[in-house]
Amino acid sequence: EAGVAQSPRYKIIEKRQSVAFWCNPISGHATLYWYQQILGQGPKLLIQFQNNGVVDDSQLPKDRFSAERLKGVDSTLKIQPAKLEDSAVYLCASSLERLAGGAPDTQYFGPGTRLTVL
Amino acid sequence: AQSVAQPEDQVNVAEGNPLTVKCTYSVSGNPYLFWYVQYPNRGLQFLLKYITGDNLVKGSYGFEAEFNKSQTSFHLKKPSALVSDSALYFCAVRVNTGRRALTFGSGTRLQVQP
Repeated sequence: EAGVAQSPRYKIIEKRQSVAFWCNPISGHATLYWYQQILGQGPKLLIQFQNNGVVDDSQLPKDRFSAERLKGVDSTLKIQPAKLEDSAVYLCASSLERLAGGAPDTQYFGPGTRLTVL
Repeated sequence: AQSVAQPEDQVNVAEGNPLTVKCTYSVSGNPYLFWYVQYPNRGLQFLLKYITGDNLVKGSYGFEAEFNKSQTSFHLKKPSALVSDSALYFCAVRVNTGRRALTFGSGTRLQVQP
């Protein structure tokens, strides 16, 4: 089974520029997550999708971050404009879970995109 | 609010010796607990999870973890460490209502010396 795919793997931009990350989840996985992992810390959720609907975006800095999951498959995370503190690894994860309250399913992670903002 | 604590930034162990990586959690309700491992420039790889049932959970690569409800702990263990186990280990917790995303600890770097 193919894993979660992410691109690009690395990105270097200057502050105030924009950047976009792409994620393709495991086939058939209804739930998709974007996490931000700052160096030396554990991943922190940015946004969670169930199919193409947003379940939780309470920790997404909406003044600069946006995300979409068209057709309930691939997802794109965008930052515009980027700040120095956005330097981090952006991880995409997916899981099978379809129903609220159902058995918790394992989240599988992609390799991440390492963003450096200069 | 849910949280995870990994009290040790780094754990050093000699190859062949048993290893323990500690994790404690705080949630409202029944916890679901996970361990992931991260190698350099790689994403997180799933090791094992506790959902319900037997408190001792066995996972990938010979790792196991013990769920202790009274101590709110979920320590990761392996009877005999390998040099190749050297990596960053993350404990995570979630509940099954409301917000279902994982809350991660800050990670513990495991260094296995030959």
